[in-house]
Amino acid sequence: GENVEQHPSTLSVQEGDSAVIKCTYSDSASNYFPWYKQELGKGPQLIIDIRSNVGEKKDQRIAVTLNKTAKHFSLHITETQPEDSAVYFCAASGNDYKLSFGAGTTVTVRA
Amino acid sequence: DTAVSQTPKYLVTQMGNDKSIKCEQNLGHDTMYWYKQDSKKFLKIMFSYNNKELIINETVPNRFSPKSPDKAHLNLHINSLELGDSAVYFCASSYAGTGELFFGEGSRLTVL
Repeated sequence: GENVEQHPSTLSVQEGDSAVIKCTYSDSASNYFPWYKQELGKGPQLIIDIRSNVGEKKDQRIAVTLNKTAKHFSLHITETQPEDSAVYFCAASGNDYKLSFGAGTTVTVRA
Repeated sequence: DTAVSQTPKYLVTQMGNDKSIKCEQNLGHDTMYWYKQDSKKFLKIMFSYNNKELIINETVPNRFSPKSPDKAHLNLHINSLELGDSAVYFCASSYAGTGELFFGEGSRLTVL
C-alpha cells in the first residue's frame, strides 16, 4: 500500500515568514495529492490539492509543488499569520481516492 | 447547517462495554468514511461506504462494525471496548471520484 512520510513534525515560524512542509510517497501509481489543515478540536479541512498532471498550484498565500520523478510534494505558506497555526496533513491516493495520510506537521506562528 | 455531523462528541466508557457513534451528512455525497486519529494525530482510514455498499475495509478488529442505513448515514458500533480503542473517530463524506473529503468534528472516545 501507499506510504506517505511528512517532515517536519513540528514547525515554528515568526509571523510574516514562510513555512514549508515536505512529503514523500512510495506508490508511483498515486496521482492525487491533497493537503488538509486541522485546527484544534475540529476535523481536517482541505486547503489545496494537486493532481499528477500539474507541477505547481497556487491559491493566495498557499502553494503546492509536485515532483513525480522524485515522488515528493511540498506545501508552501507565505506571509504566515497567527490563524495559520494548526496541524497540516499531506495525503496521497490513486484513482480509488483511498487516501494515505502523512503523520502531520504542527505549525505554530509566533506573533 | 452542519455538513457532516457526528454524535456524540465525547464518549467516556469502561473496558468491555459496547458503544456506537452516529454520523450524518447533508451534502448529498454518495461515499462516507470512518477514520481513526490516535494520540499522535495519525489519521488512518477504517471503512468506506459508497451508496450503502462497503468498499474499503482496512485491517480493523471485527469488534468494529459499520452500518450504513442509507447514503446519508454511516454509524460505527464497537463491541467489547479496549484501552487501545481510545482515539478520536472522524466521519467524512465525498462524491466518489472527486477526492475532497469533508470531515465531521470528531468523536473523542476514552476507554477507562
